[in-house]
Amino acid sequence: GNSVTQMEGPVTLSEEAFLTINCTYTATGYPSLFWYVQYPGEGLQLLLKATKADDKGSNKGFEATYRKETTSFHLEKGSVQVSDSAVYFCALKGAGTALIFGKGTTLSVSS
Amino acid sequence: KAGVTQTPRYLIKTRGQQVTLSCSPISGHRSVSWYQQTPGQGLQFLFEYFSETQRNKGNFPGRFSGRQFSNSRSEMNVSTLELGDSALYLCASSLESSTGTDTQYFGPGTRLTVL
Repeated sequence: GNSVTQMEGPVTLSEEAFLTINCTYTATGYPSLFWYVQYPGEGLQLLLKATKADDKGSNKGFEATYRKETTSFHLEKGSVQVSDSAVYFCALKGAGTALIFGKGTTLSVSS
Repeated sequence: KAGVTQTPRYLIKTRGQQVTLSCSPISGHRSVSWYQQTPGQGLQFLFEYFSETQRNKGNFPGRFSGRQFSNSRSEMNVSTLELGDSALYLCASSLESSTGTDTQYFGPGTRLTVL
């Protein structure tokens, strides 16, 4: 079945550091891929998405590219801020199936 | 457009009771999905409704049930509560698309504590 694996956290960075959170997936067909972010005490917010191979999703300085050859959708940001501290979830959705999440990666950014 | 709303935001119940949670989707969205989030199990899919019909179901016991109304609003019910049902329950809505891979937008969640 479909599954998502993302790097274990927590990830601790200083402000303005480069961020990468790895995400790989297993899926049949051509799923859509997503990154969601969850701030403390809140629900999930869509950060970015990609619907087909080689698509690049981007939002608020975050980027991720749908790589079918490596079945990956790694999240990157060139310069993190304290306000980026949150839990990040990689997810995939195949046609007619439920959204499947990775276990989440906690990011902590200090000034 | 208003986002997904969930009520109540917080609930405290005791074992054996039942609880009903409510979700109002984004206007125009016809699909509503429910998820349970716990520290140990992460985010787990409960069920999905579209046009008042359950379209998909996760691996949860029959104590967990849901329904959708003609205005797309949805409720989920948990009967005979157990301590392990303590969790954040998230509702998500989406448009219906032919591919079925459209984006889900989440509400703030209902935090259920079972004592």
